[in-house]
Amino acid sequence: DAMVIQNPRYQVTQFGKPVTLSCSQTLNHNVMYWYQQKSSQAPKLLFHYYDKDFNNEADTPDNFQSRRPNTSFCFLDIRSPGLGDAAMYLCATSRGQGVMNTEAFFGQGTRLTVV
Amino acid sequence: DQQVKQNSPSLSVQEGRISILNCDYTNSMFDYFLWYKKYPAEGPTFLISISSIKDKNEDGRFTVFLNKSAKHLSLHIVPSQPGDSAVYFCAASSNAGKSTFGDGTTLTVKP
Repeated sequence: DAMVIQNPRYQVTQFGKPVTLSCSQTLNHNVMYWYQQKSSQAPKLLFHYYDKDFNNEADTPDNFQSRRPNTSFCFLDIRSPGLGDAAMYLCATSRGQGVMNTEAFFGQGTRLTVV
Repeated sequence: DQQVKQNSPSLSVQEGRISILNCDYTNSMFDYFLWYKKYPAEGPTFLISISSIKDKNEDGRFTVFLNKSAKHLSLHIVPSQPGDSAVYFCAASSNAGKSTFGDGTTLTVKP
């Protein structure tokens, strides 16, 4: 049973054309994360939500935005994708901070290509 | 400056032998450590974790060892199986918060 679902699995967008990636979860977890992963590198946290509280990483470019309209859904908006934004984007959830066993549950990722 | 480092990009072992994957960290505030496994075209999946109050945690064939003084942890897989071939990520967090990941080690288990 898929618990964290990302759509689409593959996305091709044009340079500078806004694109939205989506993530949904059936786990009812408080926390949702967006990671960017480039080839052979560590997943890099872009931002996360604790419930509706948005937490941006200091080095996340302004080009990246996020929305969480409800517990189940979270979106990643890239306002003007550049060639350097081509990557795997991973959505993850966890039960919440301050809780032991705070492992994250990841979706399958969206592979973004910028042409 | 990378706070979690996996210095071996790849590791190859024979089926049935032990696989040892290593991870070093620099932030002494990290108090919870996790290992994730990732198959191609899939997201990482949680494998095993350890709290800083322990030095060992075991789950079946998988054991994680933590050496806080050396800021080092390792994942042992015994015996290794071909299905264990994947990328393994080490991750660390402080105060049970967000995790910082290493670059991963690609494990290949040969039949």
